[in-house]
Amino acid sequence: SYELTQSPSVSVSPGQTARITCSGDALPKKFAHWYQQKSGQAPVLVIYEDIQRPSGIPERFSGSSSGTMATLTISGAQVEDEADYYCYSTDSSANHRGVFGGGTKLTVL
Amino acid sequence: QVQLVESGGGMVQPGRSLRLSCAASGFTFSSYGMHWVRQAPGKGLEWVAVISYDGRNKYYADSVKGRCTISRDNSNNTLYLQMSSLRVEDTAVYYCAKEQLVYFDSWGQGTLVTVSS
Repeated sequence: SYELTQSPSVSVSPGQTARITCSGDALPKKFAHWYQQKSGQAPVLVIYEDIQRPSGIPERFSGSSSGTMATLTISGAQVEDEADYYCYSTDSSANHRGVFGGGTKLTVL
Repeated sequence: QVQLVESGGGMVQPGRSLRLSCAASGFTFSSYGMHWVRQAPGKGLEWVAVISYDGRNKYYADSVKGRCTISRDNSNNTLYLQMSSLRVEDTAVYYCAKEQLVYFDSWGQGTLVTVSS
């Protein structure tokens, strides 16, 4: 079955840039989307279609994708950005079955 | 605004069945595909199932295929997940999510399913 791979954790100091990566064989052909999940809350979409930022999401959140890797970048990370981040995409056959990466715990301190 | 409210969770014994519901409001429910996503305690998100806007097409994760059925009632703006032959490893918070093209733009707050003897 198709898998997306994320590093388990990233740690930065406030004001630094955090980069969270997601790798998958189908990413050259499929969009990556990113969700932020704070403790005890439902996930929130922060980036869709590799690079698009929903309204209401701060400009410090950006996305990129190259080859088999997608990257979520938080420029000038804030303490309130501390959360779990998940990439999401669909399998290579068709946009039928979804798959999440294992998640990355971002610590900002 | 979009609102998704899950219900039907609870504690159930292994092998039993449970039906989850997701009441939708604030958008034209019959125009959007809908998904179920789950999260086991302390674990990551796992995609479970998707149903097309008209209910004709349904797809499942391998972990639930043959044991779960996703359905919808567009006249009542409600999404369902019928789960049978429940296993301990099905214990999770189950979220419904509204599809926008190929991603989810709205999520409910989730309902907890605990499978335990």
